[in-house]
Amino acid sequence: EGQLEESGGGLVKPGGSLELSCTASGFTFTNAWMNWVRQAPGKGLEWIARIKSKADRGTIEYAAPVRGRFTISRDDSKNTLSLQMSSLKTEDTAVYYCTTGVNSGWGYMDVWGNGTTVTVS
Amino acid sequence: DIQMTQSPSSLSASVGDRVTFTCRASQHISRYLHWYQQKPGRAPKLLIYTESHLQSGVPSRFSASASGTQFTLTISSLQPDDFATYYCQQTYTMPLTFGGGTTVEMK
Repeated sequence: EGQLEESGGGLVKPGGSLELSCTASGFTFTNAWMNWVRQAPGKGLEWIARIKSKADRGTIEYAAPVRGRFTISRDDSKNTLSLQMSSLKTEDTAVYYCTTGVNSGWGYMDVWGNGTTVTVS
Repeated sequence: DIQMTQSPSSLSASVGDRVTFTCRASQHISRYLHWYQQKPGRAPKLLIYTESHLQSGVPSRFSASASGTQFTLTISSLQPDDFATYYCQQTYTMPLTFGGGTTVEMK
């Protein structure tokens, strides 16, 4: 069964930068399309970024609120997903989840990390 | 972007009740509709994928159906473990979008 573990969250000032990491185990990371999903305090889920597998050209897509400020990347040699966040705003305050669909050709997300909290203040 | 609208936003129910809530997509999404359950302080958990398929380990009291762009999740007999927030998600097209959630509270 796949597992994901996020790290790197913390308190940062507006305009600052932060990098999140997600370490994967228990599944073939190389083949996985990986996502970041966030949840602001008391709010719903918001998908923010996806990176496809290298076999699928490693295509990257972002949600509009983070495009141009956040960069998703992967290191298949280390089974690690990253999210470089810059020009942070107070509205980026959220729990950030790393997630993927290990058994999914339909895009659903059947493996989630526990999340890491980012506070911009 | 495809908007996913869930209703109601919350509901109060008792153990043993049959509860149903809906998710409507703003346009055609085929079967690319999935349901997640989230409890406070926890990560979401996949419940149902591609409209009506129960994720492994999910109790059979959960079921889902679809009619056009309206999708329905039903819990046949609410159990104490089911008090949570439920989100629908479409993965038909980018950006991936979630509904606003339905919170099932204890009456």
